[in-house]
Amino acid sequence: EAQVTQNPRYLITVTGKKLTVTCSQNMNHEYMSWYRQDPGLGLRQIYYSMNVEVTDKGDVPEGYKVSRKEKRNFPLILESPSPNQTSLYFCASRGAVGSEAFFGQGTRLTVV
Amino acid sequence: GIQVEQSPPDLILQEGANSTLRCNFSDSVNNLQWFHQNPWGQLINLFYIPSGTKQNGRLSATTVATERYSLLYISSSQTTDSGVYFCAAESTSGTYKYIFGTGTRLKVLA
Repeated sequence: EAQVTQNPRYLITVTGKKLTVTCSQNMNHEYMSWYRQDPGLGLRQIYYSMNVEVTDKGDVPEGYKVSRKEKRNFPLILESPSPNQTSLYFCASRGAVGSEAFFGQGTRLTVV
Repeated sequence: GIQVEQSPPDLILQEGANSTLRCNFSDSVNNLQWFHQNPWGQLINLFYIPSGTKQNGRLSATTVATERYSLLYISSSQTTDSGVYFCAAESTSGTYKYIFGTGTRLKVLA
């Protein structure tokens, strides 16, 4: 089954404690991205990657890092989380430009 | 960049009623998708529809790319249809980014 898998689904952490949210896809897609969803602000892109070792900033990259060492994985790293990064996060993947996008189940992060 | 607007923002229906949700976009698009966000926050992919018409059970969607809008039809609505419906579009300008509309919050009453 074609899918994008994020882990964990829920996470509560404390300010400053580094964390990683994993994202993996099994569709051999080149393009992967991360979004965050906040009330009143909708979904906004954090980072995207067009292929292995190629990443670029989206609209709200501050406070986040990503890496793309393998095609299937695109982890989101918060080196020093702060309460304003409390949000619902989605990973997405797709093949060519214009093709259908597949979203993960979401990760609900709370930073206290 | 491309703007995506959805209407209405909120909709309350009695079970069994039909509804039409609209998505307007300000630029030519490579791609347009409709999603349903359920109460647990999951984004469920409803339609990949850059142009034309598709149907899936009680749901159907139409995109008229030349006029820059898409419609989602829900017929014989059920309480499980409640949630937020988003459309998302990718501009032809090549930014490789989906722009999401602000959503239509639907509540279906039993």
